[in-house]
Amino acid sequence: GDSVTQTEGLVTLTEGLPVMLNCTYQSTYSPFLFWYVQHLNEAPKLLLKSFTDNKRPEHQGFHATLHKSSSSFHLQKSSAQLSDSALYYCALSLSSNTNKVVFGTGTRLQVLP
Amino acid sequence: GALVYQYPRRTICKSGTSMRMECQAVGFQATSVAWYRQSPQKTFELIALSTVNSAIKYEQNFTQEKFPISHPNLSFSSMTVLNAYLEDRGLYLCGAGDWGNTGQLYFGEGSKLTVL
Repeated sequence: GDSVTQTEGLVTLTEGLPVMLNCTYQSTYSPFLFWYVQHLNEAPKLLLKSFTDNKRPEHQGFHATLHKSSSSFHLQKSSAQLSDSALYYCALSLSSNTNKVVFGTGTRLQVLP
Repeated sequence: GALVYQYPRRTICKSGTSMRMECQAVGFQATSVAWYRQSPQKTFELIALSTVNSAIKYEQNFTQEKFPISHPNLSFSSMTVLNAYLEDRGLYLCGAGDWGNTGQLYFGEGSKLTVL
C-alpha cells in the first residue's frame, strides 16, 4: 500500500547548522508530497507542497525536492533557527480519486543555542 | 484565507461515555474531510475520509459503529467517539480540503480527548 517513511525520530542540532530531514515514500500512483510542521500544542500546518512541474517549493527558508527516481522528498534548510524546533511530518496525497493523505511517523527537530 | 475551526478543544469524559466533535471550514469548500487521531507518541492515524456525495470510507481498525461521521455540506462535519475507553484518548484532528488536484489539507486545532 501507500506509505511514507521518516527514519529519524529525533534530530538535534545547534542553531546555525544546516537541517535535513529524510522522507521516502511508496505509492502505486504519482502522489503529491507535503511537509507539515506542528509546534507544541498547535495544529499541524502546511509547510511545503510538491509541484508537478519539478519546481522546488520553498517556505520560511525550508525547501524540498521531489525525486521520483529515489521516491524521496527530503526537507532542507541552510541554517537552523531556535524557532524551527517542532515536529515535522512528511505526507503524501494520492493523485487518484481516493483523495487520501497518508502521514509519516514524524521527526522531532530540536534546535539548541 | 482557508481556515478550519474545530471544537471542543478539550474534553474529559468517563469511560464508556461518548464525545462529539465538530469541524467548521471557512473560506473554502470542504469537499473532503478527513478525521485523524494522534495518539500519545504516535503519528496521525486516518480514521475515515468523507467526500460530499460519496460514502464515508473508514480505515482498517475504525468503524462507523464506533466513530459515526456526518458531513452534510461543504462547510461542516462532525464525528462522535462512542463508548470511549482509555485506548481512544488522543488528539482528534479534522483535515478538510477542496481537493481539485492538490490534495492539500487544512487542519483544525484538534479536539483532545481524555478518558478517565
